[in-house]
Order: sequence, then C-alpha cells, then structure tokens
Amino acid sequence: QKEVEQDPGPLSVPEGAIVSLNCTYSNSAFQYFMWYRQYSRKGPELLMYTYSSGNKEDGRFTAQVDKSSKYISLFIRDSQPSDSATYLCAMSGPGGSYIPTFGRGTSLIVHP
Amino acid sequence: EPEVTQTPSHQVTQMGQEVILRCVPISNHLYFYWYRQILGQKVEFLVSFYNNEISEKSEIFDDQFSVERPDGSNFTLKIRSTKLEDSAMYFCASSPTEGALTDTQYFGPGTRLTVL
Repeated sequence: QKEVEQDPGPLSVPEGAIVSLNCTYSNSAFQYFMWYRQYSRKGPELLMYTYSSGNKEDGRFTAQVDKSSKYISLFIRDSQPSDSATYLCAMSGPGGSYIPTFGRGTSLIVHP
Repeated sequence: EPEVTQTPSHQVTQMGQEVILRCVPISNHLYFYWYRQILGQKVEFLVSFYNNEISEKSEIFDDQFSVERPDGSNFTLKIRSTKLEDSAMYFCASSPTEGALTDTQYFGPGTRLTVL
C-alpha cells in the first residue's frame, strides 16, 4: 500500500466554485500535514501546514485533517483562474523526521 | 523577495556522463535539500545538508550521488555516472531552520535533467 495517495485529476471547475482536494495516507506516525501548490515549470510552494486534526483557515483556503480516518483535505473557496496549478499534499513526522513524503499531486483547472 | 535559483534550467547528457546541478540557496539559510520528480510521479526527497555535512538521505541517494557546498553561496548535486532512470526534474530547497514548520522550506524552479 502506497504511503500517500492522491487522485491526479485533472479537476476542472468553473470560476467561483468551491474546490475540494484530498489525500489519504497509511502511516499513522505522520504528524505534520502540508499542502503545496506547483505552477507549471516552477518548484512547489508551501500553502498551508497543520499539526493536528481539525481545520485551519487562511483566506480562501481551508486545510482539514482527520487523523482517525487518515484523510486530509484542502478546500478552496471562490476559486480563481490563477488557482489553476497542481496541488501536492505532503506529510512528515515518523521518527522525528521533518522530511516530507509527497502525494502525486492533483491538477486543478479553473476556467473563467 | 529572496528566492532559490537553479542552473541550468535544462541539462541534456549522455548515459554514463557526470553532471553537476547547481543551486544558490537563499543567503541566510542554513539547511539545504535536493528533491527529484520523475515525470508524472511524486516529488521525492534525496538529501538534506547542514553545516557542511549530510544530515539525512533517502535510499535513492546512493553512491552515484554527492552534494557539496563549494563556497558560501552554491550548493551542488553531482551524479557521477548518469543512468536513463536519472532523467527527472531536480529541485533544490533551502530553509533557515530545520523543523516541523516546513513553511520555511523554499523550493527553486528546478533543473530538468534528460539522460540519453
């Protein structure tokens, strides 16, 4: 079983839609959960990180972690064409390591 | 805003050749990392570097790979004898600290390595 699973998409939505991006994981030792955004021909850029179960909000973005289900989500409200990118989930923490284990990334397309 | 830079943006090499990928981390950062992303696959950690030595490495980072900080600004990844399967995008990252707050890890734009 792969450690971090993420549907690669693409996910195509109209401008203004609420977007839900998800990842599941198998290693219960993960403690830190992150979402990165990656534009074409660019490196990943950290959007949000969380440490524990629950929600964290930052502007139009909400990260949600459910450790009991080993499931994390990123919600984007009022999506914009500029949100079109690949979104990578990542997690770390086993054995005290801060090195992230990434998902494959979900390609998001927001069309005007 | 300070950023991590990488050169070249694209490197084409013949199988068996040595390549050196270069990175200039953000100037006051202390921790440096290399990741790779094979086309269509996940970003994978290769190695982290602090205080002129490797602090952590993955099983991908075998004897064919080495890292160096030859001067105060550059951070390099060397692949001694490239294989076809080394073809990937290589990302350098840097952070001022090492910690759970991975918002401090800044990625460069990557070098696309193509091995023929």
